[in-house]
Amino acid sequence: DSGVTQTPKHLITATGQRVTLRCSPRSGDLSVYWYQQSLDQGLQFLIQYYNGEERAKGNILERFSAQQFPDLHSELNLSSLELGDSALYFCASSASGAGIYEQYFGPGTRLTVT
Amino acid sequence: GESVGLHLPTLSVQEGDNSIINCAYSNSASDYFIWYKQESGKGPQFIIDIRSNMDKRQGQRVTVLLNKTVKHLSLQIAATQPGDSAVYFCAERAGFQKLVFGTGTRLLVSP
Repeated sequence: DSGVTQTPKHLITATGQRVTLRCSPRSGDLSVYWYQQSLDQGLQFLIQYYNGEERAKGNILERFSAQQFPDLHSELNLSSLELGDSALYFCASSASGAGIYEQYFGPGTRLTVT
Repeated sequence: GESVGLHLPTLSVQEGDNSIINCAYSNSASDYFIWYKQESGKGPQFIIDIRSNMDKRQGQRVTVLLNKTVKHLSLQIAATQPGDSAVYFCAERAGFQKLVFGTGTRLLVSP
């Protein structure tokens, strides 16, 4: 158990809908990262938050957004969902937004868009 | 359930053998590298890391080798066990705290 929690574990929804994925980082970790893992593209970095502020952006679509709250939990919002958004979404946390620290991954949310 | 791509390179070994998983990275400026293990239905799990000022680092049953000249990283697992069966990813730090993951290698360990 990494100490990172994600909810829900599974999510099935229809195209055009909007969903919110939730992540709670390890106790004391200030950075949260979101990744998408699909069958054909592997693990793709989406976005990083550090202590409530956006720190780095990867291949995140405009239909997707994220935020980190004062209690450091984070939410990833996916809207106007398309079939191609079906994937595993992982959250990871690390101790800092600076320097070199390993990232601890949560168990993931499996999103299925039908 | 399956959590990673179906078309991954696969390494099949017998229990007790040593395994070597290779990774080519892309950015010569990358200064930090990590190996992750991902079991089916789970998130990636940290195995070992290495900074670019090192050539070798050892952990428990695992060794990571870094060859910056050819931008190559390898993970050696000693006395491979069935519990080592998983997909292994290398990741390089490209930019501020941004990790870029390789495509992964599936390790299958037969008893």
